Amino acid sequence: SAVISQKPSRDICQRGTSLTIQCQVDSQVTMMFWYRQQPGQSLTLIATANQGSEATYESGFVIDKFPISRPNLTFSTLTVSNMSPEDSSIYLCSVEDTGQETQYFGPGTRLLVL
Amino acid sequence: AQKVTQAQTEISVVEKEDVTLDCVYETRDTTYYLFWYKQPPSGELVFLIRRNSFDEQNEISGRYSWNFQKSTSSFNFTITASQVVDSAVYFCALTYNAGGTSYGKLTFGQGTILTVHP
Repeated sequence: SAVISQKPSRDICQRGTSLTIQCQVDSQVTMMFWYRQQPGQSLTLIATANQGSEATYESGFVIDKFPISRPNLTFSTLTVSNMSPEDSSIYLCSVEDTGQETQYFGPGTRLLVL
Repeated sequence: AQKVTQAQTEISVVEKEDVTLDCVYETRDTTYYLFWYKQPPSGELVFLIRRNSFDEQNEISGRYSWNFQKSTSSFNFTITASQVVDSAVYFCALTYNAGGTSYGKLTFGQGTILTVHP
């Protein structure tokens, strides 16, 4: 499976600021996704990052709050904008390549908003 | 709509005990994939197994085994002779299978916290 890295691994931010999380894969992959895991909760899909076009957002998530970029087949970013304490979560990217039928996850970014 | 239910919020066992984690799913799709992932305290999500809805064979991998029963919409996970290193949160997940290709969007259960005591 692909090796996936995320930066930063953790951060503490002030409310009202924005943070950009990077996801890097060591090989080209077809699909990339961003998930949020709030404290003590399960994972919720934020959006599918589409290469060369706008991301596809799930219900309850909007581009203004979570802008996503995917400039190529190995890299994506998720920005958490105008943060509030409710945004404190683990943010995980995942990848799936054609034919793999399985999503593999990055190590996650632990975000605490004060 | 898809739904995954893991009724066991927390399980605590003593090392060497066998433990079964339950997973029940709901889907209107006739073809789908089921998964189990492990999330240790470090936070990373580790893939354990994938099962296609057409493949109801049970699977064993070392101390791990999985029982897929389509008739009861269940995909249970058993750890035999548990070890302290098995302590983690375990998630069951479901995705739509679109003509042999995974649709990609995973629906997760709430997770089961497994604690194995020495």
